[in-house]
Amino acid sequence: AQSVTQPDARVTVSEGASLQLRCKYSYSGTPYLFWYVQYPRQGLQLLLKYYSGDPVVQGVNGFEAEFIKSNSSFHLRKASVHWSDSAVYFCAVSNNNNAPRFGAGTKLSVKP
Amino acid sequence: GPKVLQIPSHQIIDMGQMVTLNCDPVSNHLYFYWYKQILGQQMEFLVNFYNGKVMEKSKLFKDQFSVERPDGSYFTLKIQPTALEDSAVYFCASSSQGSNTEVFFGKGTRLTVV
Repeated sequence: AQSVTQPDARVTVSEGASLQLRCKYSYSGTPYLFWYVQYPRQGLQLLLKYYSGDPVVQGVNGFEAEFIKSNSSFHLRKASVHWSDSAVYFCAVSNNNNAPRFGAGTKLSVKP
Repeated sequence: GPKVLQIPSHQIIDMGQMVTLNCDPVSNHLYFYWYKQILGQQMEFLVNFYNGKVMEKSKLFKDQFSVERPDGSYFTLKIQPTALEDSAVYFCASSSQGSNTEVFFGKGTRLTVV
């Protein structure tokens, strides 16, 4: 069975600083990996996804993530955060046969 | 973009009563999901549904839970009877070709069992 670990429940950064949100997954086969963002009282919105190919994937709003198979990681990055990036970020893993499983989420707060 | 609509947005129900949560998925999608989120924390998978059948369910999908999508109408989650621990936000989601494609989420139904 697949599972996802997001070790940081909360991250606080200053506006304009760089960001990395960590995600490690557990799955024996080839995973499909996703990052979603959730704004208050909203559903989840897809930021980016990885299926195969280039391990660095670009997403919306300047986000990117890198799939490192040897480390079972799929960390999310952004070069310069904006106050509007404050939200909860979820990493998820799925495969052909199973619905996405989510990590516990990381709440990002961007200080002005 | 494609939208998943959930009705109602908030429901309060007495413990032991039945509740039905309604979801209008994206129109050409074939795969449907329910997730449960407590206090804005982890998004817990409940069930996925395809071609009129439950394809996969988690331990959280108790015997009191059921899902259906009669005649292409709403995709529903029914809880009968409800328990206090069922209080949570329930998110419906859908995708076109299974879980390896983008899954679109509704805004959730906040269920409060009193």
